[in-house]
Amino acid sequence: GAVVSQHPSWVICKSGTSVKIECRSLDFQATTMFWYRQFPKQSLMLMATSNEGSKATYEQGVEKDKFLINHASLTLSTLTVTSAHPEDSSFYICSARVGDSGNTIYFGEGSWLTVV
Amino acid sequence: AQTVTQSQPEMSVQEAETVTLSCTYDTSESDYYLFWYKQPPSRQMILVIRQEAYKQQNATENRFSVNFQKAAKSFSLKISDSQLGDAAMYFCAYKNYGGATNKLIFGTGTLLAVQP
Repeated sequence: GAVVSQHPSWVICKSGTSVKIECRSLDFQATTMFWYRQFPKQSLMLMATSNEGSKATYEQGVEKDKFLINHASLTLSTLTVTSAHPEDSSFYICSARVGDSGNTIYFGEGSWLTVV
Repeated sequence: AQTVTQSQPEMSVQEAETVTLSCTYDTSESDYYLFWYKQPPSRQMILVIRQEAYKQQNATENRFSVNFQKAAKSFSLKISDSQLGDAAMYFCAYKNYGGATNKLIFGTGTLLAVQP
Protein backbone atom coordinates (compact mmCIF):
# COMPACT_ATOMS: atom_id res chain seq x y z
CA GLY A 1 0.00 0.00 0.00
CA ALA A 2 0.85 3.65 -0.09
CA VAL A 3 3.65 4.70 2.21
CA VAL A 4 4.20 8.04 3.83
CA SER A 5 7.49 8.52 5.60
CA GLN A 6 8.44 11.11 8.18
CA HIS A 7 11.89 12.11 9.29
CA PRO A 8 13.17 12.42 11.91
CA SER A 9 11.18 10.16 14.20
CA TRP A 10 12.65 11.82 17.26
CA VAL A 11 14.32 15.18 17.60
CA ILE A 12 15.56 17.20 20.55
CA CYS A 13 16.44 20.83 20.05
CA LYS A 14 17.41 23.75 22.20
CA SER A 15 14.97 26.51 22.93
CA GLY A 16 15.24 29.29 20.38
CA THR A 17 16.50 27.11 17.54
CA SER A 18 14.59 25.87 14.50
CA VAL A 19 13.88 22.30 13.55
CA LYS A 20 12.65 20.81 10.27
CA ILE A 21 10.46 17.73 9.88
CA GLU A 22 10.10 16.08 6.49
CA CYS A 23 7.13 14.20 5.13
CA ARG A 24 7.58 12.12 1.99
CA SER A 25 5.21 10.11 -0.12
CA LEU A 26 7.34 7.16 -1.20
CA ASP A 27 5.35 5.50 -3.95
CA PHE A 28 2.85 8.07 -5.10
CA GLN A 29 2.54 11.77 -5.82
CA ALA A 30 0.77 13.88 -3.26
CA THR A 31 -0.49 17.28 -4.31
CA THR A 32 -1.91 17.78 -0.87
CA MET A 33 -0.46 16.86 2.49
CA PHE A 34 -1.73 17.62 5.96
CA TRP A 35 0.14 18.41 9.15
CA TYR A 36 -1.25 17.51 12.55
CA ARG A 37 -0.20 17.99 16.12
CA GLN A 38 -1.15 15.55 18.85
CA PHE A 39 -0.90 16.14 22.56
CA PRO A 40 -0.74 13.15 24.94
CA LYS A 41 -4.01 11.23 25.17
CA GLN A 42 -5.70 13.66 22.81
CA SER A 43 -6.93 13.59 19.26
CA LEU A 44 -5.12 14.91 16.22
CA MET A 45 -5.33 18.63 15.70
CA LEU A 46 -5.00 19.78 12.10
CA MET A 47 -2.43 22.54 11.83
CA ALA A 48 -2.35 23.20 8.10
CA THR A 49 -2.98 21.88 4.64
CA SER A 50 0.13 21.79 2.50
CA ASN A 51 -0.42 22.42 -1.22
CA GLU A 52 2.28 21.60 -3.77
CA GLY A 53 3.54 24.72 -5.45
CA SER A 54 1.48 27.14 -3.40
CA LYS A 55 1.13 28.49 0.10
CA ALA A 56 -0.13 26.32 2.88
CA THR A 57 -3.57 26.87 4.35
CA TYR A 58 -3.38 27.21 8.11
CA GLU A 59 -6.07 26.42 10.60
CA GLN A 60 -7.34 29.14 12.87
CA GLY A 61 -5.05 29.75 15.80
CA VAL A 62 -1.93 28.25 14.19
CA GLU A 63 0.92 30.72 13.87
CA LYS A 64 2.05 30.83 10.25
CA ASP A 65 5.37 32.43 11.04
CA LYS A 66 6.18 29.88 13.68
CA PHE A 67 5.19 26.74 11.80
CA LEU A 68 6.56 27.15 8.29
CA ILE A 69 5.28 24.68 5.76
CA ASN A 70 6.82 24.14 2.36
CA HIS A 71 5.56 21.73 -0.30
CA ALA A 72 8.16 22.13 -2.99
CA SER A 73 7.57 18.86 -4.83
CA LEU A 74 4.86 16.27 -5.31
CA THR A 75 6.55 13.92 -2.87
CA LEU A 76 7.88 16.19 -0.15
CA SER A 77 6.40 18.56 2.39
CA THR A 78 8.37 20.07 5.27
CA LEU A 79 7.32 21.57 8.57
CA THR A 80 9.79 23.93 10.20
CA VAL A 81 9.23 24.94 13.79
CA THR A 82 11.00 28.27 14.15
CA SER A 83 12.35 29.68 17.38
CA ALA A 84 11.15 26.61 19.19
CA HIS A 85 10.01 26.80 22.80
CA PRO A 86 9.29 24.02 25.30
CA GLU A 87 5.55 24.42 24.72
CA ASP A 88 6.14 23.38 21.10
CA SER A 89 7.17 19.95 22.31
CA SER A 90 4.66 17.53 20.86
CA PHE A 91 4.00 14.71 18.43
CA TYR A 92 3.67 15.92 14.85
CA ILE A 93 2.10 13.76 12.14
CA CYS A 94 1.73 14.31 8.43
CA SER A 95 -0.63 12.66 6.04
CA ALA A 96 -1.18 12.54 2.30
CA ARG A 97 -4.13 11.68 0.12
CA VAL A 98 -3.91 8.88 -2.41
CA GLY A 99 -5.70 9.08 -5.71
CA ASP A 100 -7.78 11.71 -7.39
CA SER A 101 -10.89 11.16 -5.33
CA GLY A 102 -9.05 12.03 -2.18
CA ASN A 103 -10.93 9.48 -0.14
CA THR A 104 -7.91 7.54 1.07
CA ILE A 105 -5.47 9.24 3.36
CA TYR A 106 -2.36 7.63 4.76
CA PHE A 107 -0.29 8.87 7.65
CA GLY A 108 3.40 9.11 8.32
CA GLU A 109 4.95 7.51 11.38
CA GLY A 110 5.01 10.79 13.24
CA SER A 111 7.80 12.84 14.77
CA TRP A 112 8.40 13.49 18.44
CA LEU A 113 9.76 16.95 19.08
CA THR A 114 11.25 17.84 22.45
CA VAL A 115 12.43 21.38 23.05
CA VAL A 116 14.76 21.79 25.99
CA ALA B 1 -19.41 22.72 10.56
CA GLN B 2 -19.01 19.00 10.77
CA THR B 3 -18.31 17.33 14.10
CA VAL B 4 -17.44 13.82 15.20
CA THR B 5 -18.26 12.48 18.65
CA GLN B 6 -16.89 9.41 20.36
CA SER B 7 -18.65 9.04 23.68
CA GLN B 8 -16.54 6.16 25.02
CA PRO B 9 -13.14 7.38 26.23
CA GLU B 10 -12.13 3.85 27.20
CA MET B 11 -13.36 0.36 26.47
CA SER B 12 -12.21 -3.10 27.49
CA VAL B 13 -12.78 -6.49 25.90
CA GLN B 14 -11.70 -10.02 26.62
CA GLU B 15 -9.53 -11.73 24.07
CA ALA B 16 -11.61 -13.57 21.44
CA GLU B 17 -14.73 -11.59 22.37
CA THR B 18 -16.52 -8.91 20.35
CA VAL B 19 -16.54 -5.21 21.10
CA THR B 20 -18.34 -2.28 19.51
CA LEU B 21 -16.99 1.26 19.50
CA SER B 22 -19.47 4.08 19.03
CA CYS B 23 -19.23 7.13 16.81
CA THR B 24 -21.75 9.78 15.87
CA TYR B 25 -21.27 12.71 13.58
CA ASP B 26 -23.04 15.80 12.44
CA THR B 27 -23.13 17.11 8.89
CA SER B 28 -25.48 18.73 6.46
CA GLU B 29 -23.76 17.06 3.52
CA SER B 30 -25.24 14.05 1.73
CA ASP B 31 -22.01 12.71 0.28
CA TYR B 32 -19.04 12.07 2.54
CA TYR B 33 -16.65 9.44 3.83
CA LEU B 34 -16.28 7.95 7.25
CA PHE B 35 -13.19 6.23 8.60
CA TRP B 36 -11.91 4.34 11.57
CA TYR B 37 -8.23 4.71 12.31
CA LYS B 38 -6.21 2.72 14.82
CA GLN B 39 -3.31 4.28 16.71
CA PRO B 40 -1.25 1.71 18.63
CA PRO B 41 1.41 2.70 21.17
CA SER B 42 3.82 3.30 18.28
CA ARG B 43 1.56 6.26 17.40
CA GLN B 44 1.39 5.20 13.73
CA MET B 45 -2.08 5.95 12.38
CA ILE B 46 -3.44 2.89 10.61
CA LEU B 47 -6.54 2.93 8.43
CA VAL B 48 -8.88 0.21 9.68
CA ILE B 49 -11.94 0.67 7.54
CA ARG B 50 -13.63 3.18 5.24
CA GLN B 51 -17.27 3.77 4.39
CA GLU B 52 -18.70 5.84 1.56
CA ALA B 53 -21.93 7.51 2.62
CA TYR B 54 -23.66 6.71 -0.68
CA LYS B 55 -23.20 2.99 -0.10
CA GLN B 56 -25.91 1.33 1.94
CA GLN B 57 -23.89 -1.80 2.49
CA ASN B 58 -21.77 -1.75 5.62
CA ALA B 59 -18.04 -1.99 5.03
CA THR B 60 -16.18 -5.06 6.26
CA GLU B 61 -12.48 -5.81 6.58
CA ASN B 62 -11.79 -9.23 8.02
CA ARG B 63 -12.62 -9.03 11.74
CA PHE B 64 -13.62 -5.38 11.50
CA SER B 65 -17.04 -4.24 10.38
CA VAL B 66 -19.12 -1.13 10.71
CA ASN B 67 -22.76 -0.40 11.37
CA PHE B 68 -23.47 2.68 9.30
CA GLN B 69 -26.78 4.33 10.04
CA LYS B 70 -26.95 7.38 7.79
CA ALA B 71 -30.25 8.75 9.04
CA ALA B 72 -29.08 8.49 12.63
CA LYS B 73 -25.60 9.75 11.69
CA SER B 74 -24.06 6.84 13.49
CA PHE B 75 -20.96 4.87 12.49
CA SER B 76 -19.95 2.19 14.98
CA LEU B 77 -17.03 -0.19 14.64
CA LYS B 78 -17.35 -3.85 15.59
CA ILE B 79 -14.24 -5.87 16.29
CA SER B 80 -14.84 -9.60 16.31
CA ASP B 81 -12.57 -12.23 17.84
CA SER B 82 -10.54 -9.53 19.57
CA GLN B 83 -6.80 -10.04 19.67
CA LEU B 84 -4.15 -8.58 21.94
CA GLY B 85 -2.81 -6.63 18.99
CA ASP B 86 -6.10 -4.80 18.69
CA ALA B 87 -5.29 -2.83 21.84
CA ALA B 88 -4.92 0.77 20.70
CA MET B 89 -6.57 4.14 20.48
CA TYR B 90 -9.31 4.17 17.85
CA PHE B 91 -10.35 7.35 16.10
CA CYS B 92 -13.49 7.86 14.08
CA ALA B 93 -13.09 10.41 11.30
CA TYR B 94 -15.24 12.24 8.75
CA LYS B 95 -14.33 13.74 5.40
CA ASN B 96 -16.46 15.61 2.89
CA TYR B 97 -16.77 13.99 -0.52
CA GLY B 98 -14.41 15.14 -3.23
CA GLY B 99 -11.99 18.02 -3.04
CA ALA B 100 -8.37 17.16 -2.64
CA THR B 101 -7.98 19.58 0.25
CA ASN B 102 -10.97 18.40 2.22
CA LYS B 103 -9.66 17.58 5.66
CA LEU B 104 -10.30 14.73 8.03
CA ILE B 105 -12.26 15.64 11.12
CA PHE B 106 -11.46 13.39 14.04
CA GLY B 107 -13.33 12.34 17.12
CA THR B 108 -11.65 12.38 20.50
CA GLY B 109 -10.80 8.70 20.38
CA THR B 110 -11.58 5.52 22.29
CA LEU B 111 -8.80 3.68 24.09
CA LEU B 112 -9.38 -0.05 23.71
CA ALA B 113 -7.81 -2.49 26.12
CA VAL B 114 -7.79 -6.22 25.34
CA GLN B 115 -7.64 -8.51 28.34
CA PRO B 116 -5.96 -11.92 27.91
